[in-house]
Amino acid sequence: AQSVTQPDIHITVSEGASLELRCNYSYGATPYLFWYVQSPGQGLQLLLKYFSGDTLVQGIKGFEAEFKRSQSSFNLRKPSVHWSDAAEYFCAVGAGGGNKLTFGTGTQLKVEL
Amino acid sequence: GAVVSQHPSRVICKSGTSVKIECRSLDFQATTMFWYRQFPKKSLMLMATSNEGSKATYEQGVEKDKFLINHASLTLSTLTVTSAHPEDSSFYICSARDQDSTDTQYFGPGTRLTVL
Repeated sequence: AQSVTQPDIHITVSEGASLELRCNYSYGATPYLFWYVQSPGQGLQLLLKYFSGDTLVQGIKGFEAEFKRSQSSFNLRKPSVHWSDAAEYFCAVGAGGGNKLTFGTGTQLKVEL
Repeated sequence: GAVVSQHPSRVICKSGTSVKIECRSLDFQATTMFWYRQFPKKSLMLMATSNEGSKATYEQGVEKDKFLINHASLTLSTLTVTSAHPEDSSFYICSARDQDSTDTQYFGPGTRLTVL
């Protein structure tokens, strides 16, 4: 069965600092991996996705993520965090983006001004 | 593009009543839609997969007679919570897969259901 682990429940960073959110997955085949962001009371917005090819993927809002098969990880990074980045971030894995997804428990990001 | 809407955004109902939530793909056709439930400070849990014109596929542990799903057109899926009880209070989110670009799901803004 597929699963996703986001080990950090809460992370606090200062505005302008770099950010890395961790995601580890378990999947029997080549995974489709996603990062979504959710603002309070809102739905999910896709930040980026990885299917194949270059293991470093660029997303919206200045985010990037690196797929490391050997570590079963897909960590999300941003070089300089903005106050508006404060939100809940979810990592997800699936057999395909159009197929059902398994989500991690999320990481709540707080940005200190 | 790729916008998914949900209606209503919030609903409060009395215990024992039924509530219908609509999920629409506004600018694309969706042969498949998904319904998720999110508990406070928890992850999203897939409830069911809805395919246009056929019966929904429910995840293990989800009562299909309680959570009725209809996907009658390529742009609309509905979730009806029948005989709602306080434990059904939750945030329900739908997503839709573009039939022309099947590798990504687009999520709706969610519906907050409160059952009194």
